[in-house]
Amino acid sequence: RKEVEQDPGPFNVPEGATVAFNCTYSNSASQSFFWYRQDCRKEPKLLMSVYSSGNEDGRFTAQLNRASQYISLLIRDSKLSDSATYLCVVNQEGGGSARQLTFGSGTQLTVLP
Amino acid sequence: NAGVTQTPKFQVLKTGQSMTLQCAQDMNHNSMYWYRQDPGMGLRLIYYSASEGTTDKGEVPNGYNVSRLNKREFSLRLESAAPSQTSVYFCASREGTGRAQHFGDGTRLSIL
Repeated sequence: RKEVEQDPGPFNVPEGATVAFNCTYSNSASQSFFWYRQDCRKEPKLLMSVYSSGNEDGRFTAQLNRASQYISLLIRDSKLSDSATYLCVVNQEGGGSARQLTFGSGTQLTVLP
Repeated sequence: NAGVTQTPKFQVLKTGQSMTLQCAQDMNHNSMYWYRQDPGMGLRLIYYSASEGTTDKGEVPNGYNVSRLNKREFSLRLESAAPSQTSVYFCASREGTGRAQHFGDGTRLSIL
């Protein structure tokens, strides 16, 4: 089983739709979580951190479920500009090892006009 | 507001040639990383440096070497390039534990 798993998609949704992605992780000791977006042939860019109580940034909402070991990203009112690949990142901190930063393979989203 | 700067942005090499990819960050971050990304695959960690003066292997270190020259700079060297090393290489840095990584805009490397 991969340490971090994402549905690769593609998710094709119409403008204005609500879409949700999940990301599951295997290490229960994971402590910090992030969502990144990556546009074609560009670098990953931080979209938002994921906090235990859940957090929202405009049209984006991130949730963490520690019991079931998954994080989610909800995008409301999708825009054409939201088309990208969304990567989840799971960190197991402590132990001094940067190996504990684990990226999912990404979920591809295309928002259609 | 440069953030993480990578050079070069593009490079074509012949098999067996050597080259060094440069990375510099101006955010005073402690940790720096080198990843490669291949089509249809996620980011794979090559090497990282948790702090100035230290380096460690990641998931796919074979064929690469690194140098943490100072706090700002972390270089990746291919001693004898192979076609399997054709990839997009990303450098990243982060302030410390619990913080997100910031990426450079990548080096697209082709080895013929």
